[in-house]
Amino acid sequence: DAKTTQPPSMDCAEGRAANLPCNHSTISGNEYVYWYRQIHSQGPQYIIHGLKNNETNEMASLIITEDRKSSTLILPHATLRDTAVYYCIVRPPRGSNYKLTFGKGTLLTVNP
Amino acid sequence: NAGVTQTPKFRVLKTGQSMTLLCAQDMNHEYMYWYRQDPGMGLRLIHYSVGEGTTAKGEVPDGYNVSRLKKQNFLLGLESAAPSQTSVYFCATLSWGRGTGELFFGEGSRLTVL
Repeated sequence: DAKTTQPPSMDCAEGRAANLPCNHSTISGNEYVYWYRQIHSQGPQYIIHGLKNNETNEMASLIITEDRKSSTLILPHATLRDTAVYYCIVRPPRGSNYKLTFGKGTLLTVNP
Repeated sequence: NAGVTQTPKFRVLKTGQSMTLLCAQDMNHEYMYWYRQDPGMGLRLIHYSVGEGTTAKGEVPDGYNVSRLKKQNFLLGLESAAPSQTSVYFCATLSWGRGTGELFFGEGSRLTVL
């Protein structure tokens, strides 16, 4: 299973962009990168995902390096409510390994 | 639609007691997962199921049993609870081939074993 590595914690000033890195150096060519966040002790929520190309939605942007060994989640204008633990995971395509495992994630603290 | 519902939300057990956590989903998703979360440990996969009548072990399966007799329900059982099983348990579902293919999580079940 492709594993991910994230820094345990990061700080960001309110209103600034938050850039959260994730290393997935053993990712296979057909595996997706998914990002989730967990606010307080709630269930994690989906943010964004990608395969090869950069992606953007109303919540965030995802930048995947050309070799696909790492990615960065960008929250363009962080707010206090973005303080949460952020997880990146690698998800294989359908028909292969169905085990979905998480690492410890990155605790992002947005400061006023 | 309720999405993913976990019951009970809170439970206190004594060592050696047994209990069952129920995860119910109304999204017709094929795949269901049980995770546990301890402080500073992230989410760890206990067991998962790829369809009705099938289950498989995750990263930390010892001390737990699961069953998926109906597609919409995934049960997690503790036959003889231990203090080390004090944790927050999350259920998640996934439709691999539909939509964005993300996991949908329940609100969690807080279990304390004394």
